[in-house]
Amino acid sequence: GAVVSQHPSRVICKSGTSVKIECRSLDFQATTMFWYRQFPKKSLMLMATSNEGSKATYEQGVEKDKFLINHASLTLSTLTVTSAHPEDSSFYICSARSQAAGRYNEQFFGPGTRLTVL
Amino acid sequence: GNSVTQMEGPVTLSEEAFLTINCTYTATGYPSLFWYVQYPGEGLQLLLKATKADDKGSNKGFEATYRKETTSFHLEKGSVQVSDSAVYFCALKSGGGADGLTFGKGTHLIIQP
Repeated sequence: GAVVSQHPSRVICKSGTSVKIECRSLDFQATTMFWYRQFPKKSLMLMATSNEGSKATYEQGVEKDKFLINHASLTLSTLTVTSAHPEDSSFYICSARSQAAGRYNEQFFGPGTRLTVL
Repeated sequence: GNSVTQMEGPVTLSEEAFLTINCTYTATGYPSLFWYVQYPGEGLQLLLKATKADDKGSNKGFEATYRKETTSFHLEKGSVQVSDSAVYFCALKSGGGADGLTFGKGTHLIIQP
């Protein structure tokens, strides 16, 4: 099946620093990748959609200068949380969509990255 | 906007019990509906889906029927196993061009032997 990895799985950083999270599709090409954020006991909330080679589309209320998304290749997307603050602490999950036939509407999810900002 | 409401857990059942996890939605147009499962320490996995009214999605003994008249997509299984213990998410994809999913809050299911 299609596998999506995220790195790191956990990160702790000091307030004011920037953190980069990687999302990779390991065995398929993903023209579209999605970034979600999950708060405790809350649903996953879509932050942005990124298409390879173009700028990401951010959901309403998500600061694009705060959460920088780059999708430079068909297998890698990165999310950089800039000048992180404690309120940015959360569980960040990426997903990738294959363009292969038969995969209509299906997204494959990474295991998530737990960010803690001190 | 779109929204998904599902029963909150945790839901605790004995092995071989019947399972129902309720899910209702609000959406414009004709959305596609999904159930995802997240096992401990793993990413979300697609469990089943339905793309139009009256469709029934099924997988691993789980079923859900797309009910447009009640805007529901309840998840059922006739006899649960300990290995079914996980968090289950109901989700929808709008019928428009956007690809992002709208998720419910998730239901933690615990099956006791």
